[in-house]
Formats: sequence, C-alpha cells, structure tokens
Amino acid sequence: DTGVSQNPRHKITKRGQNVTFRCDPISEHNRLYWYRQTLGQGPEFLTYFQNEAQLEKSRLLSDRFSAERPKGSFSTLEIQRTEQGDSAMYLCASSISSGMNTGELFFGEGSRLTVL
Amino acid sequence: AQSVAQPEDQVNVAEGNPLTVKCTYSVSGNPYLFWYVQYPNRGLQFLLKYITGDNLVKGSYGFEAEFNKSQTSFHLKKPSALVSDSALYFCAVRDAGTGFQKLVFGTGTRLLVSP
Repeated sequence: DTGVSQNPRHKITKRGQNVTFRCDPISEHNRLYWYRQTLGQGPEFLTYFQNEAQLEKSRLLSDRFSAERPKGSFSTLEIQRTEQGDSAMYLCASSISSGMNTGELFFGEGSRLTVL
Repeated sequence: AQSVAQPEDQVNVAEGNPLTVKCTYSVSGNPYLFWYVQYPNRGLQFLLKYITGDNLVKGSYGFEAEFNKSQTSFHLKKPSALVSDSALYFCAVRDAGTGFQKLVFGTGTRLLVSP
C-alpha cells in the first residue's frame, strides 16, 4: 500500500495525558498537512510542512499542539494535556508541489482520538 | 479569509437520475476549488479540481463540476447517479493569490442514492 499511513488508528486517553500521532506520507510527496475533523464538520486545517519546514500553522491552534517533520518524511502531531474538546479525527494528507502549486491532497484514513 | 458553504446537509436522488450537490465559496482573490468524497471508514478521496481555464471540469467516477465566477459557485454534478455514489461530499477552496496552502472545507453534504 503506497498511500498515506496514520498510526494509531484509534486512541483513547484520559484528560490531561499526552498523545502522539504519526503520519507517513506518500514517499515522493514533499508537502504534508494535518487537519482535524469533528462530527458533522468538514476538515479543519491545523498545519502544513514543506519538506521539514513548518510553513503554516492555524492561529486557532492551541499551544498544546505541536507537530514535527524532522527529516522531511514522516510527521508527528503531539497533543499535550489533552482536553475533552480535543476529541476528533486527526487527518494527515500529503501532496507534491508543482509549478502551479495546485496539487491535490491525498488523505490518510485518520487517527481517532477520544479523551475521557 | 476564504470560506465555503454547502447549503444542503443531505441530497436524496433515485438511481439513474441526475444529481447536483451545491457549493458556494468566498475568497478575496482567485479561487482554487476542489471536491472530495468520503466513504464510511475511508479517507477523503479527491474527485476533481478547478484551477483555471474551462469552467466545466471533469473528474473521477463520472463526476463533473461547473465553476461560475459571477455566482461564486462550484456545484458538483453527475448525469446518472449510482447507489455506490452514496457518500459524504466536501467542497474546498484555496485562495490562489495568497501563496498559502491552507485548504478550507465546507461542512459536507451527504448524498443518498436510492435503488
């Protein structure tokens, strides 16, 4: 399978705990994105990497959230001191840059977080 | 800031009939527009995009969409619906003028095709 891979697929944690999600993009894709989706809503942009550089970050994103892409390949999204409002599906997507920067995003199946 | 509106939570259509899923957008510059589909327990899948050029764009699975600048719309269409088209459809927009990669999604429209 050469698609976007996310792990774990499901995570249940207690409020106040830290959680980390991993995303492995399609191998030749240099762009990587994190989105969050709650029930009945569309995906909400969190952050974007081009290679290892984090170029965009949502202003709505709490400082409890941090993302890295240290070698320009896989990425991790960490949520510290989780709150019940963090319960959502966390989606990773990747794309390849082109001259017109209009490449479509390829999404993984997501990591579902439940905070008790 | 860019935004997308999908005015219908659900669209019901009989198999074999044409379908339309509506989308309107707002951006300060020129839009890049996308449609994605989400099947149960599956990731979002790209259907089609409008970047520039012909206002009618064709995509996967027989879907097409028409870009209308004056009405700021990008409705998704298919001439003959299949039961297997039943899924959640998302419209998304990016502002071409900003250089930012942030894609803004609508809230989604559930398409239900009955046999």
